[in-house]
Amino acid sequence: EVQLLESGGGLVQPWGSLRLSCAASGFTFNNYAINWVRQAPGKGLEWVSVISGGYVKTYYADSVKGRFIISRDTSKNTVYLQMDSLRDEDTAVYYCTRGGSGTYYNWPISDHWGQGTLVTVSS
Amino acid sequence: DVQMTQSPSSLSASIGDRVTITCRASPGINTFLAWYQQKPGQVPKLLIYGASTLQSGVPSRFSASGSGTEFTLTIGSLQPEDVATYYCQKYDSVPWAFGRGTTVEI
Repeated sequence: EVQLLESGGGLVQPWGSLRLSCAASGFTFNNYAINWVRQAPGKGLEWVSVISGGYVKTYYADSVKGRFIISRDTSKNTVYLQMDSLRDEDTAVYYCTRGGSGTYYNWPISDHWGQGTLVTVSS
Repeated sequence: DVQMTQSPSSLSASIGDRVTITCRASPGINTFLAWYQQKPGQVPKLLIYGASTLQSGVPSRFSASGSGTEFTLTIGSLQPEDVATYYCQKYDSVPWAFGRGTTVEI
């Protein structure tokens, strides 16, 4: 069974940092892209970032580019999202999702989602 | 960047009704579009990818079509368990934007 377990959320002050983790199991981790998608309270979905499987390519939404870094540790089957210079508008539930394997056009197709971790940016 | 316009923002229909949700992309995105369902208090779920391919395990009353700039998601016969917010997502190129969502009520 595919499982994605996020952790690392919490309360942080503006301009602070936080690192989210997504522990994956139940599939061949190296073969699949992993996305981060966030949802502000009462709002819609916003794609944040992706890291591919295999040769490891990363992409970011404009709203987080230069502030967030996505990475993966294949020995731990875990993807990280390092979030720096956090802003009020980064407050959201952050979901990690399993994207597709192979071609770039499969990466955003999120067929499994974690339960999410809440990040609150507030002074 | 491609703009995704989803409509309506909400709708109310009766059990058994045919329900249609539209997503428009500008400029066009070929068939690089997915649809997700998010029930109240739950995690989103993939329904459709490639504009019209039903994800495994999704009931056949869900269907979708379109290419280029206009896409539709149809619920053939609305059921109580279909109460949810539905999102389209384009993925022709990054950023892979979601539409604003359509809330379906009974």
